[in-house]
Amino acid sequence: NAGVTQTPKFQVLKTGQSMTLQCAQDMNHEYMSWYRQDPGMGLRLIHYSVGAGITDQGEVPNGYNVSRSTTEDFPLRLLSAAPSQTSVYFCASSRGISQIQPQHFGDGTRLSIL
Amino acid sequence: DQQVKQNSPSLSVQEGRISILNCDYTNSMFDYFLWYKKYPAEGPTFLISISSIKDKNEDGRFTVFLNKSAKHLSLHIVPSQPGDSAVYFCAASTGGNKLVFGAGTILRVKS
Repeated sequence: NAGVTQTPKFQVLKTGQSMTLQCAQDMNHEYMSWYRQDPGMGLRLIHYSVGAGITDQGEVPNGYNVSRSTTEDFPLRLLSAAPSQTSVYFCASSRGISQIQPQHFGDGTRLSIL
Repeated sequence: DQQVKQNSPSLSVQEGRISILNCDYTNSMFDYFLWYKKYPAEGPTFLISISSIKDKNEDGRFTVFLNKSAKHLSLHIVPSQPGDSAVYFCAASTGGNKLVFGAGTILRVKS
């Protein structure tokens, strides 16, 4: 019973490098999202998806891209890493899109940009 | 411009006593509220929620109260246990699954 799996757990990048944070869920959830958590600011929504082929921006989308080619996977791409993107990233999923359903979170990816 | 505010960064409570975590919001369009608990090196886990049509929701030791006129909600944990020590996030939604989170409150339950 894996739930939401995020890889890698830790990553250090240099400024300007690109990388993809992976997120996979095995619960057949329609809704998936990415958050970043920074000290004193809680979790902020980066991008979300209501189903395969459909994505939209959240509160802090700049510098990130997403795609949703399958129900299970929702990768987050950093195009050109900047120190301001140092954060802990959480992927979440939930079933249903028309009403609130509790979101299931992965254990996070801790990303440092030097 | 934080729409969801948890003004107490931390709270320390004796085991067996009540823990009260508070949350204030500014957006009157929020109609659903949730509490998540987070342990170190893990993702947040859902704890309890409340719709704006209710003023109280209870689940075991956890009760959430909503005061819409004051734009305030609180989470009560009775009795508090050492395993409740974690970061608690308040979150709100205007509908759908897009959540706005507060900054969190660190709860320490002392045995």
